[in-house]
Amino acid sequence: DGGITQSPKYLFRKEGQNVTLSCEQNLNHDAMYWYRQDPGQGLRLIYYSQIVNDFQKGDIAEGYSVSREKKESFPLTVTSAQKNPTAFYLCASTFPSRGTGELFFGEGSRLTVL
Amino acid sequence: QQQVKQSPQSLIVQKGGISIINCAYENTAFDYFPWYQQFPGKGPALLIAIRPDVSEKKEGRFTISFNKSAKQFSLHIMDSQPGDSATYFCAARDYGQNFVFGPGTRLSVLP
Repeated sequence: DGGITQSPKYLFRKEGQNVTLSCEQNLNHDAMYWYRQDPGQGLRLIYYSQIVNDFQKGDIAEGYSVSREKKESFPLTVTSAQKNPTAFYLCASTFPSRGTGELFFGEGSRLTVL
Repeated sequence: QQQVKQSPQSLIVQKGGISIINCAYENTAFDYFPWYQQFPGKGPALLIAIRPDVSEKKEGRFTISFNKSAKQFSLHIMDSQPGDSATYFCAARDYGQNFVFGPGTRLSVLP
């Protein structure tokens, strides 16, 4: 089945450590996104990528980094510079210029800093 | 910064009642307005969406009403069921293909 796979589902990190969240899609979508979700704040955009080897900062990019070496993959690294990384992270993808423009989401990764 | 405002923050409805969630936006460069449903621990899933050239769209028990001049749109859930209990997000997409989300409404439907 086509979809978006995020891993790991749960991740614990000690302060000062970098962690990488995986996002893989087999929907042949061009655009991919990373959102952060905190209670009562909706979804906030961290980074997005419209094509391979290109990505743009979202509203809260500080302390995060991404890469887009393959169309199917858009990993997110939460660096030690991110002051409050405990959150639920969601990866999404879409066809920017085709179809309804529906945004498809993965199941999310919950990161907890100990 | 672009914003989408959403209310209420939480909503409790009796089974069989009507749930209404309202959203408002400021940016006129939005061209697509989806609603997402999210269950605890899961990613959001598209529920229903509308484009600004349409004033209303209905899919089963779910209806979007869209008022372009007022820059407002709302979700109506008819005959609400306990299985509808979830968090609902309205969103708006700009011409740059970026989505802006409302803060969410937690709906509880009592049996």
